[in-house]
Amino acid sequence: QVQLVESGGGVVQLGRSLRLSCVASGFTFSNYGMHWVRQAPGKGLEWVAGISSDGRDENYRDSVKGRFTISRDNFQNTLYLQMNSLRAEDTAIYYCTKDPYYGSGFYYYFDSWGQGTLVTVSS
Amino acid sequence: DIQMTQAPSSLSASIGDRVTITCRASESIRRYLHWYQQRPGKAPKLLMYAASSLQSGVPSRFSGSGSGTDFTLTISDLQPEDFATYYCQQSYTAPRTFGQGTKVEIK
Repeated sequence: QVQLVESGGGVVQLGRSLRLSCVASGFTFSNYGMHWVRQAPGKGLEWVAGISSDGRDENYRDSVKGRFTISRDNFQNTLYLQMNSLRAEDTAIYYCTKDPYYGSGFYYYFDSWGQGTLVTVSS
Repeated sequence: DIQMTQAPSSLSASIGDRVTITCRASESIRRYLHWYQQRPGKAPKLLMYAASSLQSGVPSRFSGSGSGTDFTLTISDLQPEDFATYYCQQSYTAPRTFGQGTKVEIK
């Protein structure tokens, strides 16, 4: 079965950087787009970024453009999120999610989720 | 951005009840609407995609309908494991957005 395991969260100071990782198993990672979705404490869900199966197409929500970079290593079955210039409003649980589209496109919904990793940005 | 508005924000129901949650988009999203369930302390789980298609493994007491701007998620015969928060999400256009959630609580 599909398994997504995130790591790399923690407490980080305002303006600093953090890199999240997500190791995937149970499916052919290189055939599917992947996304990061976040949830601030006690709040709703927010799509953050997505990357195509071959890594050539990346897209971001406006509030993280220029600060966050999504990437992937299809040999290591790993998804990444490099987060720079972190702000208080980036505090959230970050979920690694799988797009159900087979191939290099996206459906932009999320059929598998990891357990999440908490990022806390403190002053 | 397309705004997704769910109603109600919370509801109380009993085991065996039929529950309906609505989701309204600020503009037409055709049928690019999906539903998720999130139990406390857990990750969300996909229930329905494309408005009315049941995700594999999801019980048939869950059903979805709608198109354009108005959508519903119905849970017939509510079970103890259904007490959770439900979110709708549109995938029609960027940024893909979620509703604010509907919490289903035990009466």
